[in-house]
Amino acid sequence: DGGITQSPKYLFRKEGQNVTLSCEQNLNHDAMYWYRQDPGQGLRLIYYSQIVNDFQKGDIAEGYSVSREKKESFPLTVTSAQKNPTAFYLCASSIRAASGYGYTFGSGTRLTVV
Amino acid sequence: QQQVKQSPQSLIVQKGGISIINCAYENTAFDYFPWYQQFPGKGPALLIAIRPDVSEKKEGRFTISFNKSAKQFSLHIMDSQPGDSATYFCAASALRAGGTSYGKLTFGQGTILTVHP
Repeated sequence: DGGITQSPKYLFRKEGQNVTLSCEQNLNHDAMYWYRQDPGQGLRLIYYSQIVNDFQKGDIAEGYSVSREKKESFPLTVTSAQKNPTAFYLCASSIRAASGYGYTFGSGTRLTVV
Repeated sequence: QQQVKQSPQSLIVQKGGISIINCAYENTAFDYFPWYQQFPGKGPALLIAIRPDVSEKKEGRFTISFNKSAKQFSLHIMDSQPGDSATYFCAASALRAGGTSYGKLTFGQGTILTVHP
């Protein structure tokens, strides 16, 4: 079945560590997105990519980094510069970065700082 | 101007009742308005979507009403069921969004719906 796979489902990070969240899709979608979800704040865009080897900052990119070396993969690194990383992270993809195309979301990764 | 404001933040409805969630936007360039449903611990899933050339779209018990002049749209859930209990997000996107890359969705803050049996 086609879809988006996020791993791991739960992730614990110590203070000062970088961690990488995986996102893989087999939908042949061009565009991929990373969102952060906090209670009462909806979905906030971290980074997005419309094409391989290209990506743009979203609304809350500080403390995060991404890469898009393959069409299928869009990993997110939460760096030690992100002061409040505890959140639910969602990866999404769409056929193309054009209005009118819904997103397919993964099941999310819950990151906790310990 | 890119914001989508969603209300209420939470909603409690009795089984069989009508659930209504409202969203308002400012950007007149928005031309696609989807609603997403999210169950706890899961990613959101596309529920229903509308374009501004129609005022209403119905799929089963779910209806989107769209008022272009008021820049508002709403989700109505008829005959609400306990299985509808979830968080609902409205969203909007534009062909061009303030000169930045087009097409990405702007989400409302979400509404937690609880349907009591």
